[in-house]
Amino acid sequence: DQQVKQNSPSLSVQEGRISILNCDYTNSMFDYFLWYKKYPAEGPTFLISISSIKDKNEDGRFTVFLNKSAKHLSLHIVPSQPGDSAVYFCAAGEGTGNQFYFGTGTSLTVIP
Amino acid sequence: GAGVSQSPSNKVTEKGKDVELRCDPISGHTALYWYRQRLGQGLEFLIYFQGNSAPDKSGLPSDRFSAERTGESVSTLTIQRTQQEDSAVYLCASSLGGGSRYGYTFGSGTRLTVV
Repeated sequence: DQQVKQNSPSLSVQEGRISILNCDYTNSMFDYFLWYKKYPAEGPTFLISISSIKDKNEDGRFTVFLNKSAKHLSLHIVPSQPGDSAVYFCAAGEGTGNQFYFGTGTSLTVIP
Repeated sequence: GAGVSQSPSNKVTEKGKDVELRCDPISGHTALYWYRQRLGQGLEFLIYFQGNSAPDKSGLPSDRFSAERTGESVSTLTIQRTQQEDSAVYLCASSLGGGSRYGYTFGSGTRLTVV
């Protein structure tokens, strides 16, 4: 049973525009959330995180929004750049838990 | 080393053979995780090591899978009598501590193909 879902397997965006990647989770005990970025033939690399005490965290062009009542988080990339083309995974976990649960990923293509 | 190192990067094996995958975590990282990603799927948790505590093996899909870790260093994941459904990218990650408060650093993975 998938506890973290990314319902859009792919997304294409024009360079300079905003990319919005969405993620839903089912477990209300999750209190820490991460986004990872993955290029082909490489392992995922950490991008940005947010804890449940916040509803927004910003780092440069990347902002993560958390809506706890809807059990939804999103990653905004603005402006999008061709180098942002990658697969993005969201992950969620409990502070006392041993693991993060990952979504299936969204493949982002930024068109020059 | 500077990052998490996994070897081999690619492995093709015949169905029924045993394989061993290796992970060198970042020095000082007490927690080590194995995940796998099958085609079109998300990252699937396999096993977690934290210091000298008993490992969390709850994600291992069958008794053909086992993993060892020597102290807080190298880990090996062994798959016995491989099956075609074992084909996946096996990812190792390490972190400073256990629990989800610490983000992971992933290795590049081992792509296992069972033919």
